[in-house]
Amino acid sequence: DVKVTQSSRYLVKRTGEKVFLECVQDMDHENMFWYRQDPGLGLRLIYFSYDVKMKEKGDIPEGYSVSREKKERFSLILESASTNQTSMYLCASSLWQGTYGYTFGSGTRLTVV
Amino acid sequence: GIQVEQSPPDLILQEGANSTLRCNFSDSVNNLQWFHQNPWGQLINLFYIPSGTKQNGRLSATTVATERYSLLYISSSQTTDSGVYFCAVVNAGGTSYGKLTFGQGTILTVHP
Repeated sequence: DVKVTQSSRYLVKRTGEKVFLECVQDMDHENMFWYRQDPGLGLRLIYFSYDVKMKEKGDIPEGYSVSREKKERFSLILESASTNQTSMYLCASSLWQGTYGYTFGSGTRLTVV
Repeated sequence: GIQVEQSPPDLILQEGANSTLRCNFSDSVNNLQWFHQNPWGQLINLFYIPSGTKQNGRLSATTVATERYSLLYISSSQTTDSGVYFCAVVNAGGTSYGKLTFGQGTILTVHP
């Protein structure tokens, strides 16, 4: 069964810490995405990548960076975590140009204290 | 950017009832998907439907791309249908790289 796997289901970090959220897909998809989901705001795109070492800013990239060294892995980095980054983070992947279905991981619920 | 509006925002049903969820979008799309988010947060892809009609069991969806809307039908609803239903689109043309833009979702609650 094809999968998008996020490394942690729940995570608690302290303000100022550097946080890594990992996402791995086994479908050989070109595109990978990071979204955050907040009540009342829906899902918002943080960053996406359409190829290895390529990245593009989404709608809310401030405070985040990403890394894609291998096709199957896309990491989201919070350089210095803040309480307003407490959220549900969802990773997704799709074939090129997104003209096919997307597959989402099960999400990481991050709490910054 | 493209705007996606879903209605209604909330829907409460008795088990066995039918319902229709609507998604309006503001520009042409080459990808439209319906997702169900379960109580544990997992987003499940229900339909990939940029145009036309599809059916899967008790669920069906229709997209009229020329009129910029899509409908999701749920028949004979069950308590396990509860959750949030999202419509998401990819704006056709430009360099969208397949970025999905989500609507705000419809929260469906089905009571036994």
